[in-house]
Amino acid sequence: GQQLNQSPQSMFIQEGEDVSMNCTSSSIFNTWLWYKQDPGEGPVLLIALYKAGELTSNGRLTAQFGITRKDSFLNISASIPSDVGIYFCAGSEYGNKLVFGAGTILRVKS
Amino acid sequence: DTGVSQNPRHKITKRGQNVTFRCDPISEHNRLYWYRQTLGQGPEFLTYFQNEAQLEKSRLLSDRFSAERPKGSFSTLEIQRTEQGDSAMYLCASGWDSPLHFGNGTRLTVT
Repeated sequence: GQQLNQSPQSMFIQEGEDVSMNCTSSSIFNTWLWYKQDPGEGPVLLIALYKAGELTSNGRLTAQFGITRKDSFLNISASIPSDVGIYFCAGSEYGNKLVFGAGTILRVKS
Repeated sequence: DTGVSQNPRHKITKRGQNVTFRCDPISEHNRLYWYRQTLGQGPEFLTYFQNEAQLEKSRLLSDRFSAERPKGSFSTLEIQRTEQGDSAMYLCASGWDSPLHFGNGTRLTVT
């Protein structure tokens, strides 16, 4: 079946740092989505990518749909404390059900 | 647009009991999805509807699980004879094709 490998599993940030995370797939996807989930809530869509090579920004967030269609990355620039949470990548082959990665936990360095 | 609404937010039940969850999607969306999420994992696909038709079911959805979307609007997910392994967050999402918008889920605890 389809599998997504998301890395890193967790990371610590200091305010102002740039953050990068990525996802690779064993299958070709036609849609890549990035979500953020806070404790006790559902995932919230951050960025949706629909075309290979596409680079899309949403404020301080930038995501790219890999040329091979088997990977995607998410960058967060100049991180702030409210960026902490769990980030999930998700891919879809036919534009219907999504396969999710296991998530990247973003924590604040004390 | 009031977002995707799920009820109840929490449900504690004893093993062997039946439970039913409800999802009200964003009204103009034609597709509705159910996912299950356990601690430390991403959501796992269970099933989805296009309007009132159930188009796909995951092999995770055993015979004890049934989902309906009778009029193509709200949906219910029923679990019969609950088991401890059913304890999880059950998420509903809606969209035009991909499940873009998620609700805040129903957390089920089976004791």
